[in-house]
Amino acid sequence: AQSVTQPDIHITVSEGASLELRCNYSYGATPYLFWYVQSPGQGLQLLLKYFSGDTLVQGIKGFEAEFKRSQSSFNLRKPSVHWSDAAEYFCAVVPRQGAQKLVFGQGTRLTINP
Amino acid sequence: ETGVTQSPTHLIKTRGQQVTLRCSSQSGHNTVSWYQQALGQGPQFIFQYYREEENGRGNFPPRFSGLQFPNYSSELNVNALELDDSALYLCASSQGQTQETQYFGPGTRLLVL
Repeated sequence: AQSVTQPDIHITVSEGASLELRCNYSYGATPYLFWYVQSPGQGLQLLLKYFSGDTLVQGIKGFEAEFKRSQSSFNLRKPSVHWSDAAEYFCAVVPRQGAQKLVFGQGTRLTINP
Repeated sequence: ETGVTQSPTHLIKTRGQQVTLRCSSQSGHNTVSWYQQALGQGPQFIFQYYREEENGRGNFPPRFSGLQFPNYSSELNVNALELDDSALYLCASSQGQTQETQYFGPGTRLLVL
């Protein structure tokens, strides 16, 4: 079945430490790939997206993500997290065929220790 | 350039009632998508409107309906509310029918008692 999986429901890191959030997808053809962030009680803000080309994409707030076709993954990284990065992070895809809808993973909640 | 706006921000209804949620799309965008986000879950696609026509629908019953107006703003209507309809309802706008990036509003928090 087509799906998006974020294996980690909750991650805690210390301020200044590096971060990697995992995302795997299961689609016949590589979908369009997105990462969104949601602060408590807020809407979703786009961090970055991958449509084609360079497999390492840069986003806002110092985030980057790497597309790996062989692993069907699109992991989000940040070299050094800040307390303001505490939020819920969603990986999402838009299939290349069919309805133009975003399909979201379950989300990963990020907590930052001071 | 204004972003996506939604109203109201919060709403409390009782079972069986009807509700209308509103969304104004970002300037220059002609496509609006609606998502339901239950507590602790990722958003689920309800439907999408492109140039006033429904352009795709998720796995939601017919009591979820929508409209898009000539100015590309949109409404989500839910009839016969159920307790499980309690959620954050998110509207997103984009330009065109292809895989353009969707920009989200702040959402409407609906509580059904």
